Amino acid sequence: EAGVVQSPRYKIIEKKQPVAFWCNPISGHNTLYWYRQNLGQGPELLIRYENEEAVDDSQLPKDRFSAERLKGVDSTLKIQPAELGDSAVYLCASRKADRRNTEAFFGQGTRLTVV
Amino acid sequence: AQTVTQSQPEMSVQEAETVTLSCTYDTSESDYYLFWYKQPPSRQMILVIRQEAYKQQNATENRFSVNFQKAAKSFSLKISDSQLGDAAMYFCAYRSTGNQFYFGTGTSLTVIP
Repeated sequence: EAGVVQSPRYKIIEKKQPVAFWCNPISGHNTLYWYRQNLGQGPELLIRYENEEAVDDSQLPKDRFSAERLKGVDSTLKIQPAELGDSAVYLCASRKADRRNTEAFFGQGTRLTVV
Repeated sequence: AQTVTQSQPEMSVQEAETVTLSCTYDTSESDYYLFWYKQPPSRQMILVIRQEAYKQQNATENRFSVNFQKAAKSFSLKISDSQLGDAAMYFCAYRSTGNQFYFGTGTSLTVIP
């Protein structure tokens, strides 16, 4: 079974430029999460999807961040314009909303550096 | 909101010895799940072990076991016979009934040969 796939793995951009991250969850996983992980910290939720619906986006900085999950499968997270403080690892995770499958599976993340 | 606290930023253990990583959490829910994830330098979070709050028996997975104290809201991870490959960041995580995960700040584990 293929895992959660994220691309790119690394991205370096200048501040004020746009950037986009892509995530393909595990097949059949209806819940998709985007997390931001700052250096030396734990992941913090940006947005959670149940199928194609964003059910928790309270921590997403909506002035510059946007996300979509068309057709309830893969997802993109966009930042426009990027700021220096956006430098972090962006993790995507997915989960099958079944009581027996309780953990989230993570991708390898995208390390963003804003210069 | 639920919070997860890991009070040990760094820990070290001699190869083949045992180490315990601490985690406490705060919640008003009665039904929830707890996890320990391992994050090596490759950045991919890998599940180590899970515990359902309704189960009194502590979970075990080979060399990994937990000490789950529900009343104290404590969830520690014990690694026995530590191996060099165990070196990584370890994150304690709480999953709410609302399908939301909350993570601690992590413990960096060093294994000394």
